[in-house]
Amino acid sequence: EDKVVQSPLSLVVHEGDTVTLNCSYEVTNFRSLLWYKQEKKAPTFLFMLTSSGIEKKSGRLSSILDKKELFSILNITATQTGDSAVYLCAPTGGTSYGKLTFGQGTILTVHP
Amino acid sequence: NAGVTQTPKFRVLKTGQSMTLLCAQDMNHEYMYWYRQDPGMGLRLIHYSVGEGTTAKGEVPDGYNVSRLKKQNFLLGLESAAPSQTSVYFCASRGGGGNQPQHFGDGTRLSIL
Repeated sequence: EDKVVQSPLSLVVHEGDTVTLNCSYEVTNFRSLLWYKQEKKAPTFLFMLTSSGIEKKSGRLSSILDKKELFSILNITATQTGDSAVYLCAPTGGTSYGKLTFGQGTILTVHP
Repeated sequence: NAGVTQTPKFRVLKTGQSMTLLCAQDMNHEYMYWYRQDPGMGLRLIHYSVGEGTTAKGEVPDGYNVSRLKKQNFLLGLESAAPSQTSVYFCASRGGGGNQPQHFGDGTRLSIL
């Protein structure tokens, strides 16, 4: 059975801090790993990672995948209150329909 | 560009009532999905569709039915609602061919009394 574990489950920081969110996974026929940010409504897509060691960056956010150790990290530098959200990790396996297995998410709260 | 649109946004039902949730996407995506999100459980796949006229069961399909008569629409039905179906329901779609991300609608918050 596919399994995804995110840690920590919740995190409270102050603006300007740097945070690291973790995602470990066990997925049959792994193809890629996706990160989403969920505020009050729809999860919004952040990154898709398919290869080990290649960092994806978007502004203050970056992510990297380790396919040997089966984990990914999402880093956020110089956090802002607008970064407060639930961050979801979802690896996808080799099914024909692009099955995503979601972790529970990390609740990030950034205080001013 | 509307993306993925879900209707309604909120609904309260009594046990035993039926209803249909509508998902519409304007991105010409082949694949569509219905998830439910519960506290502490993450997003779980209910049903999915790989194209017009096709549907299949996901991880938690019991008590739900779906239809995809048109490519842009994916309907989720509850024939006889139960309190255990109280949840937030999300629809998603993605394009075909290789690694593509799923794009989500804003969700429908459903309460069954």
